[in-house]
Amino acid sequence: QQQVKQSPQSLIVQKGGISIINCAYENTAFDYFPWYQQFPGKGPALLIAIRPDVSEKKEGRFTISFNKSAKQFSLHIMDSQPGDSATYFCAASAKSGSEKLVFGKGTKLTVNP
Amino acid sequence: GAGVSQSPSNKVTEKGKDVELRCDPISGHTALYWYRQSLGQGLEFLIYFQGNSAPDKSGLPSDRFSAERTGGSVSTLTIQRTQQEDSAVYLCASSLRTSGSGETQYFGPGTRLLVL
Repeated sequence: QQQVKQSPQSLIVQKGGISIINCAYENTAFDYFPWYQQFPGKGPALLIAIRPDVSEKKEGRFTISFNKSAKQFSLHIMDSQPGDSATYFCAASAKSGSEKLVFGKGTKLTVNP
Repeated sequence: GAGVSQSPSNKVTEKGKDVELRCDPISGHTALYWYRQSLGQGLEFLIYFQGNSAPDKSGLPSDRFSAERTGGSVSTLTIQRTQQEDSAVYLCASSLRTSGSGETQYFGPGTRLLVL
């Protein structure tokens, strides 16, 4: 059972455009929702994270929108740049126990110059 | 400052051999995680260590997989009698795990394992 569903699998955007990646979750115990960015040959790195007590969080060109009732959250990358080309993973964890991250399957973003 | 380090960066082995993968977490981080990243499966949790508590082994796919963490720092993931389906990138992450929740997990570069 896939607990975090991510779409699209791949995304091609022109430089300066907006990239949007969506995730949906099933487990209502999840209370922490990070997005990770991964470049080829590297480990994932935290990009931005949100908790369910807010509906939006913005850091520079990156924004998370969170809809608790729909159990959905999304990453928006404004003014996308070729350097943003990477694989993006949404994830979720619950407060209890190990707080292990449950990941979506990733979105490969390509930003064309 | 030093991040999470893993060794070896690449490992090629023959089916049936045992392999050991090493993780050095960020100094002072009490929590340590192992994940596996394989094509088509994304990142999957394997095991979690926190201080002196019993590890959460709920993600280990079979009894061929085991891990230990010595002295609350370095961790070793061991895969016995490797199979071709074990080929993947094995990622280690560490976090502070203070009293709050949602501590950032910092990932190492991973060990790319290929079982022939």
